[in-house]
Amino acid sequence: GAGVSQSPSNKVTEKGKDVELRCDPISGHTALYWYRQSLGQGLEFLIYFQGNSAPDKSGLPSDRFSAERTGGSVSTLTIQRTQQEDSAVYLCASSFETGNTGELFFGEGSRLTVL
Amino acid sequence: AQKITQTQPGMFVQEKEAVTLDCTYDTSDPSYGLFWYKQPSSGEMIFLIYQGSYDQQNATEGRYSLNFQKARKSANLVISASQLGDSAMYFCAMREVQTGANNLFFGTGTRLTVIP
Repeated sequence: GAGVSQSPSNKVTEKGKDVELRCDPISGHTALYWYRQSLGQGLEFLIYFQGNSAPDKSGLPSDRFSAERTGGSVSTLTIQRTQQEDSAVYLCASSFETGNTGELFFGEGSRLTVL
Repeated sequence: AQKITQTQPGMFVQEKEAVTLDCTYDTSDPSYGLFWYKQPSSGEMIFLIYQGSYDQQNATEGRYSLNFQKARKSANLVISASQLGDSAMYFCAMREVQTGANNLFFGTGTRLTVIP
């Protein structure tokens, strides 16, 4: 497809389980972002990938969260030992350029519910 | 301190009227970009408009315009001739350039409801 694709769209898991969320960015976009949006809240930055550079992990809330980007394209966000407070929509975005003008294109998100 | 502040949790506007959604920002970086995104109930984030800190003129995109007041650090979104389809959450965001931050800072959003 032409847009950012995320899967699964919905995930329900039990507390303590690990989950993986996938993002397939727009072809040719070198920058990829993960954000978290809790119910009724704004977007919280998690992690940023740009080309082959080391990722900016400054937004990851704990060491239970990790992400990787293989081949400069698809990215996976992994949450280990999920907690109820991890319940949120996880949004992925990609961008063709960085700098202050780089518009982000968002996927439709993965809604995570931790029981 | 909050990078982006949106003080209006909810706004109502009559169809065909204009509405202003407020946004103030906080940065010491002389070079930055300001963005507005729309998030309908379906959840996707839709880019609306961009304003660069060195742009002399206010940005406009169709019915959207950005009222950029640099000295006051405000970047209000003006939607003219509101339509029912404009009902959504609206987020203001900023990216700083010289600090090297890669993330786009988002406000908490304003929920706009257009009344027929």
